[in-house]
Amino acid sequence: SQKIEQNSEALNIQEGKTATLTCNYTNYSPAYLQWYRQDPGRGPVFLLLIRENEKEKRKERLKVTFDTTLKQSLFHITASQPADSATYLCALSGNTPLVFGKGTRLSVIA
Amino acid sequence: DAGITQSPRYKITETGRQVTLMCHQTWSHSYMFWYRQDLGHGLRLIYYSAAADITDKGEVPDGYVVSRSKTENFPLTLESATRSQTSVYFCASSPTSGSDYEQYFGPGTRLTVT
Repeated sequence: SQKIEQNSEALNIQEGKTATLTCNYTNYSPAYLQWYRQDPGRGPVFLLLIRENEKEKRKERLKVTFDTTLKQSLFHITASQPADSATYLCALSGNTPLVFGKGTRLSVIA
Repeated sequence: DAGITQSPRYKITETGRQVTLMCHQTWSHSYMFWYRQDLGHGLRLIYYSAAADITDKGEVPDGYVVSRSKTENFPLTLESATRSQTSVYFCASSPTSGSDYEQYFGPGTRLTVT
């Protein structure tokens, strides 16, 4: 069955450092991969979408990579700030609706 | 106000009761989705709809019923609530199937079944 794993439930990082979150998948060949941010008590908010033929996409301090050979996406936040603290979800899709990972809770410590 | 809204935001109900969660979007998006979010499981798709009068099952549809008579509304009904349906429910919408476009999520409904 399809499986999506985000590297850890929680990640703590010092302010100013680069946070790297991992999304691995198995038994799946997604055409698209999306990343969302979710704050406590709120719905997820879209951040970035990357297609299978794209290796990398950037938006301000965010960078996403998509390696279909390794079946992995990396999500980077450079110069992290306490305001970046949230849960980050990856989601994959192809011919079916989005399937979400369980998320990684990021804490940026001042 | 433009956007996607859910009501109620909080609901406590008893086992066996019927409860309906409402979702309304003002963008005229074709696709709408219902998810539940539980600790240890993440977001799981319950049902989705591609247009008015077109609905399809997601990963965890048992115990739920949906309808979509109007593009902007997508209610979710628990016909006989069970404790295992205690969860946070999110509605989302998208102009496409959601694969190649972002989904817009509502604020969620926290449902407790006692």
